[in-house]
Amino acid sequence: AQSVSQHNHHVILSEAASLELGCNYSYGGTVNLFWYVQYPGQHLQLLLKYFSGDPLVKGIKGFEAEFIKSKFSFNLRKPSVQWSDTAEYFCAVNAGNTDKLIFGTGTRLQVFP
Amino acid sequence: DGGITQSPKYLFRKEGQNVTLSCEQNLNHDAMYWYRQDPGQGLRLIYYSQIVNDFQKGDIAEGYSVSREKKESFPLTVTSAQKNPTAFYLCASSIAARLELYEQYFGPGTRLTVT
Repeated sequence: AQSVSQHNHHVILSEAASLELGCNYSYGGTVNLFWYVQYPGQHLQLLLKYFSGDPLVKGIKGFEAEFIKSKFSFNLRKPSVQWSDTAEYFCAVNAGNTDKLIFGTGTRLQVFP
Repeated sequence: DGGITQSPKYLFRKEGQNVTLSCEQNLNHDAMYWYRQDPGQGLRLIYYSQIVNDFQKGDIAEGYSVSREKKESFPLTVTSAQKNPTAFYLCASSIAARLELYEQYFGPGTRLTVT
């Protein structure tokens, strides 16, 4: 069965620190990849997505993610986090010919000023 | 103002009662989804519908039922057969196609507490 793993469950950083959240998926075929963010008290919203082309994808608020096919990974990065980045982050995969997303368990990020 | 609405925000029920959660979208999306979010488990798919009058079970459909009589509405019923109904329920919609436009848009969620 397809699955998505986010190994970092809870990350605590100080402002200006660099961030990398891991995401690995298990599926050998074509995938579309997503990162969603859930700020406290807000809707889940799309941060960035990868469908094809340049494996380095840039999203909103200075986030980027790199698709490494050989490693089945789509890690999320930000060079310098802000307090306002405190949120829960979810990696998701749309695998094969389906209209479903499979979500990881999420990573809770806390940024302290 | 386009989007997805879910009501109510908080819902309380007694064990043994069925309860229906509302989800409405005015985005003209074909596909709609229901997820359950539990701490440490991420989002798990309950049911989804790609077109009116059709829906499919997701990964955790037992104890739930849905209907899709109108494009804009996809209500979820949590039945008394659902063993652990207390959770945060999220509704989403998308353009039903495998295009680069594809993404799921989420509603604000309903927190259901069953005692």
